[in-house]
Amino acid sequence: DTAVSQTPKYLVTQMGNDKSIKCEQNLGHDTMYWYKQDSKKFLKIMFSYNNKELIINETVPNRFSPKSPDKAHLNLHINSLELGDSAVYFCASSQEVRGHTEAFFGQGTRLTVV
Amino acid sequence: LAKTTQPISMDSYEGQEVNITCSHNNIATNDYITWYQQFPSQGPRFIIQGYKTKVTNEVASLFIPADRKSSTLSLPRVSLSDTAVYYCLVGDKGDSSYKLIFGSGTRLLVRP
Repeated sequence: DTAVSQTPKYLVTQMGNDKSIKCEQNLGHDTMYWYKQDSKKFLKIMFSYNNKELIINETVPNRFSPKSPDKAHLNLHINSLELGDSAVYFCASSQEVRGHTEAFFGQGTRLTVV
Repeated sequence: LAKTTQPISMDSYEGQEVNITCSHNNIATNDYITWYQQFPSQGPRFIIQGYKTKVTNEVASLFIPADRKSSTLSLPRVSLSDTAVYYCLVGDKGDSSYKLIFGSGTRLLVRP
């Protein structure tokens, strides 16, 4: 059983399109995250949700909108995609926010905007 | 903002002990230090977490001095499969949103 699963694994789309990436965790964790990893491999946190409530919102363009229908799901919707959005997006979950107890990451979604 | 500093890369040989140090001057009082490992095309994977002094598990040891402004991940007797990027993660002191910042990562290459 996959603890944190993301779909799709690969996503190729044209500039200007709107796309969504889905994430689900079956660990019963209260906290979920979205991270972006660029071509230089820097991992940057984008959002964090705790029990469906947004608690961390980094300086991310408002074209990116996370949605958490329940605490096991945190989806990422991206409007008007730009070339610079090309990256690998990782979803993760953990049981705490402060101290960041062990987080489990999904396999990533490689987004390519052409 | 808390910043972490790690060496960009390290080389080692199979069977050697590898020590990777991370600097984190503004670590928050209640924050823990966590290290992750990432293989290509995979998400980061938890290795070890600690608050102070020394923590050891079946994979690694983590050494944290009293001032907690740095930490050292120690991998005993590395093998080729330990080739990966290693990230240091700490909280952000003075920021109520507790941004969780990964270090730039250390790319470890283990040679035969």
